[in-house]
Amino acid sequence: QVQLMESGPGLVQPSETLSLTCTVSGFSLSIYNVHWIRQPPGKGLEWMGVMWSGGGTDYNSALKSRLSISRDTSKNQVFLKMNSLQSEDTTTYYCVREGYGGFAFWGQGTLVTVSS
Amino acid sequence: EIVLTQSPTTIPASPGEKVTITCRASSSVSYMYWYQQKSGASPKLWIYDTFKLPPGVPNRFSGSGSGTSYSLTIDSMETEDAATYYCQQWSNTPWTFGGGTKLELK
Repeated sequence: QVQLMESGPGLVQPSETLSLTCTVSGFSLSIYNVHWIRQPPGKGLEWMGVMWSGGGTDYNSALKSRLSISRDTSKNQVFLKMNSLQSEDTTTYYCVREGYGGFAFWGQGTLVTVSS
Repeated sequence: EIVLTQSPTTIPASPGEKVTITCRASSSVSYMYWYQQKSGASPKLWIYDTFKLPPGVPNRFSGSGSGTSYSLTIDSMETEDAATYYCQQWSNTPWTFGGGTKLELK
């Protein structure tokens, strides 16, 4: 059974760095790509970046200067780090696995609020 | 970046009614993907490769289109279909989503 679970701080101070962990089960990170997608409250979806199964990464150019995605295959975890957080980064962050050619398996999401 | 524009933004529909949501791309894309999201829940892949349904998606849903114009159609609206639907393209990075169409019960 494919599962993804995001974890991290619910509250981050402005200008600080966000660190999130996506812990997966039911599949191998060496075979499937895992993406990060975010959604501001009441708004649409934004693709942030991807950890390719081969170990490479790609990022949304709008976030590239602030974003880093990495993984630990031995722990079945994918990590997201984003610096210089501002209020507009208050969103729900999802980690998502590909399937059927699309974003088929989603975590439950974790809401991060940027506030002092 | 390919911009996806969905219309309408909101649709009120009655049970049994036929519903169509349109997604227009700023540049041609090879396929379109659709997601259903209910309030408080994560999105679900609802249609892939323009017209294919993942397991569990009712066959009253269908997808069609090509190039820059795609659509999602519900043959006969049911109460459980009330949700927000997003289109998404894989043709060019950054992979982008439409702004969403909220399907409401009338």
